[in-house]
Amino acid sequence: DAMVIQNPRYQVTQFGKPVTLSCSQTLNHNVMYWYQQKSSQAPKLLFHYYDKDFNNEADTPDNFQSRRPNTSFCFLDIRSPGLGDAAMYLCATSIRRGRETQYFGPGTRLLVL
Amino acid sequence: AQSVAQPEDQVNVAEGNPLTVKCTYSVSGNPYLFWYVQYPNRGLQFLLKYITGDNLVKGSYGFEAEFNKSQTSFHLKKPSALVSDSALYFCAVRDTPYSGGGADGLTFGKGTHLIIQP
Repeated sequence: DAMVIQNPRYQVTQFGKPVTLSCSQTLNHNVMYWYQQKSSQAPKLLFHYYDKDFNNEADTPDNFQSRRPNTSFCFLDIRSPGLGDAAMYLCATSIRRGRETQYFGPGTRLLVL
Repeated sequence: AQSVAQPEDQVNVAEGNPLTVKCTYSVSGNPYLFWYVQYPNRGLQFLLKYITGDNLVKGSYGFEAEFNKSQTSFHLKKPSALVSDSALYFCAVRDTPYSGGGADGLTFGKGTHLIIQP
């Protein structure tokens, strides 16, 4: 089945130690999104790629970066995780921007010690 | 700027009764509206969306939603609730037309916990 895959499902890192979260998709969608969802809160968009075009949200901290080496994969890099970065990180894809449905992966729960 | 309000943190319904989860929105253009459901420690699952056309939208698992432009609402409904419907429900909006300046993602409401009691 076509799907959005996130690895790992759970990630534990140390304060200040760089960490990378992975997302892959078999849907061949043009757009890939990263959302941050803190406990009991709504998901919040960090950035998205439309093909190779990177679009950062104005309030996304510089500590968060992303890479999309090809259509199928997208990575979220947190350069120096703080305790406040502990959250569920959701990857989503859509065929195009605009009216198209976004399809979400299962998420990666990040714990910062 | 676009925004979504889900006024109820929690909705309790007896199994077999109809359910409604409320959502209102604010956009500058025309809205694209979505409902997603989230089970514990899982990603979001798409239920239904309104883009244009018929104001009553039918989606997965027997859910439907009615778009009301005058009231800027998009309430989620189901005629007969199941215990398995218990989950966290998110309403989301995307403003149109897309300006190309970022913020292409969805803006979500804070979520409503739906609890179906046997």
